[in-house]
Amino acid sequence: DIQMTQSPSSLSASVGDRVTITCRASQGIRNDLGWHQQKPGKAPKRLIYAASSLQSGVPSRFSGSGSGTEFTLTITSLQPEDFATYYCLQHNNYPRTFGQGTKVEIK
Amino acid sequence: EVQLVESGGGLVQPGGSLRLSCAASGFTFSNYDMNWVRQAPGKGLEWISYISSNTDVIYYADSVKGRFTISRDNAKNSLYLQMNSLRTEDTAVYYCARNKWIDYWGQGTLVTVSS
Repeated sequence: DIQMTQSPSSLSASVGDRVTITCRASQGIRNDLGWHQQKPGKAPKRLIYAASSLQSGVPSRFSGSGSGTEFTLTITSLQPEDFATYYCLQHNNYPRTFGQGTKVEIK
Repeated sequence: EVQLVESGGGLVQPGGSLRLSCAASGFTFSNYDMNWVRQAPGKGLEWISYISSNTDVIYYADSVKGRFTISRDNAKNSLYLQMNSLRTEDTAVYYCARNKWIDYWGQGTLVTVSS
């Protein structure tokens, strides 16, 4: 199975900050990775697909990068509605595997 | 607009069974692969099963293999998860999710396994 190691597990940030979350795959997965945002009590929502493509309707302050084993989600200028938990998901192989999640909290 | 609506969750005793449904609308269901993903209370997301658009390919996570069965009815635009021999550790919100790479999620249905 492909292990997805996500870091940090949580972070505190202020509105306007730049935030970076990293996912590392245990083996190369090309760019077969998505980033999903989940707010408390709600279903997840995909933000990024193919590692770096922005889902339609998602604000441009979200961006993704990486390929192979190292991937990054960046939020420039954090907004109040961005406080949530973020997960990476690899779709290179089965079983599909998620990162452990990163909870972004208000400082 | 893509909509996925799960139903069928509830309270069940250990060893019991439950069947979840996911009603799809807003897209041509028969053209899309589908998944079930679950989330235990306070925990992260866990993929548990996949079914291809024409049902010829099915995968399960080891944690549910032999106990859960995924199926679909393209004529009814519906996805199903038959869950047998339920354990307390199966307690979770269960989401249906569209596509091999998961692009849309349902709102989830809560399954509680407890005596």
